[in-house]
Amino acid sequence: EDKVVQSPLSLVVHEGDTVTLNCSYEVTNFRSLLWYKQEKKAPTFLFMLTSSGIEKKSGRLSSILDKKELFSILNITATQTGDSAVYLCAVADKGGSEKLVFGKGTKLTVNP
Amino acid sequence: DTAVSQTPKYLVTQMGNDKSIKCEQNLGHDTMYWYKQDSKKFLKIMFSYNNKELIINETVPNRFSPKSPDKAHLNLHINSLELGDSAVYFCASSLRRAHGANVLTFGAGSRLTVL
Repeated sequence: EDKVVQSPLSLVVHEGDTVTLNCSYEVTNFRSLLWYKQEKKAPTFLFMLTSSGIEKKSGRLSSILDKKELFSILNITATQTGDSAVYLCAVADKGGSEKLVFGKGTKLTVNP
Repeated sequence: DTAVSQTPKYLVTQMGNDKSIKCEQNLGHDTMYWYKQDSKKFLKIMFSYNNKELIINETVPNRFSPKSPDKAHLNLHINSLELGDSAVYFCASSLRRAHGANVLTFGAGSRLTVL
């Protein structure tokens, strides 16, 4: 069964800090890894990673995938209070099913 | 202009009752999903429909019955509600892609509380 493990489960930092969130996975036939941000309501899409070693970047957020070691990291530099959220990692396999398997998330709290 | 809308947003009901949650998307997507998020924020797939056809049916009690009248709508009916059904139920939709995973767009969630 596909499995996604995120660490740490929660993290408290001060504004301006840099954080790294981790996601490791086991999937039978890997297709893609996705990162979502969940504030109070709906998870919103951040990145999709399919190829190893290629960094995806959006402003202060960036993510990279290592398909050999089966993990991904999400970096946030110069954190702001608005970055406080649960960050969810999910994987999709090639098995024909359309489902994403999610990890339990990392709850990030950024204090002023 | 809500892309994926669910109703109701909140639902409080007694054990044993039957309730429904409705979902509609206006993105032109062909695949819709129901996910359940428990109190520990763990999101787990329940069902998925592609063009009104059921394609994912995880190990979910048969008290839960999805229904997709057309590809823009996916409803969830729950019979004989139990305390353990309390959770936030998220509807999502996506467009099937030839390469890469489907990127899901989520609704705002429906918080179900069973007393």
